[in-house]
Amino acid sequence: KAGVTQTPRYLIKTRGQQVTLSCSPISGHRSVSWYQQTPGQGLQFLFEYFSETQRNKGNFPGRFSGRQFSNSRSEMNVSTLELGDSALYLCASSLGVSGEPPLHFGNGTRLTVT
Amino acid sequence: GQQVMQIPQYQHVQEGEDFTTYCNSSTTLSNIQWYKQRPGGHPVFLIQLVKSGEVKKQKRLTFQFGEAKKNSSLHITATQTTDVGTYFCAGNGGSQGNLIFGKGTKLSVKP
Repeated sequence: KAGVTQTPRYLIKTRGQQVTLSCSPISGHRSVSWYQQTPGQGLQFLFEYFSETQRNKGNFPGRFSGRQFSNSRSEMNVSTLELGDSALYLCASSLGVSGEPPLHFGNGTRLTVT
Repeated sequence: GQQVMQIPQYQHVQEGEDFTTYCNSSTTLSNIQWYKQRPGGHPVFLIQLVKSGEVKKQKRLTFQFGEAKKNSSLHITATQTTDVGTYFCAGNGGSQGNLIFGKGTKLSVKP
């Protein structure tokens, strides 16, 4: 089976712009979770989608949003980018909801905001 | 909300020495998971612990889940350079039901 695919791998944006990141889960997986990873902060939970419904949301501002399509692919959008949004964004899929392991992570999208 | 604390943040060891990372949750967990992230890579699932007091071993790695299901540890015996990476614990048990990760322990091993 192919693993979790995230595109693009790298992005450079300027403040105020918006960005959309994509995640294709492992075939058959219905749950997709998104995490922000920054040095010293570890993995911070953004949101989880299960069968096209947002199941959980972390403590991030409304500029961060996401959605999941009927084929389980997910997108994450960040509007009005700030310098502090520079991070590695990881997507993870699982067969069931995120609390049921294992989570399979993609290689991430490295976002740099200048 | 639920918090998962992990210590130490960094650990530098000589090859052959042992290594332990500790994880503590502010709430009782239904399960705890451990992941390893190699430099430049993504987190990879290692194991899940579910039962109070559970101990599981994977070769040189020993995982423990506390009796109160609020803490856990990962112990590596006789570290090797292949053990280099960041080890994350992740707990599930808050009202939200999502997985909360600790900040990780970055292990470096000097040959």
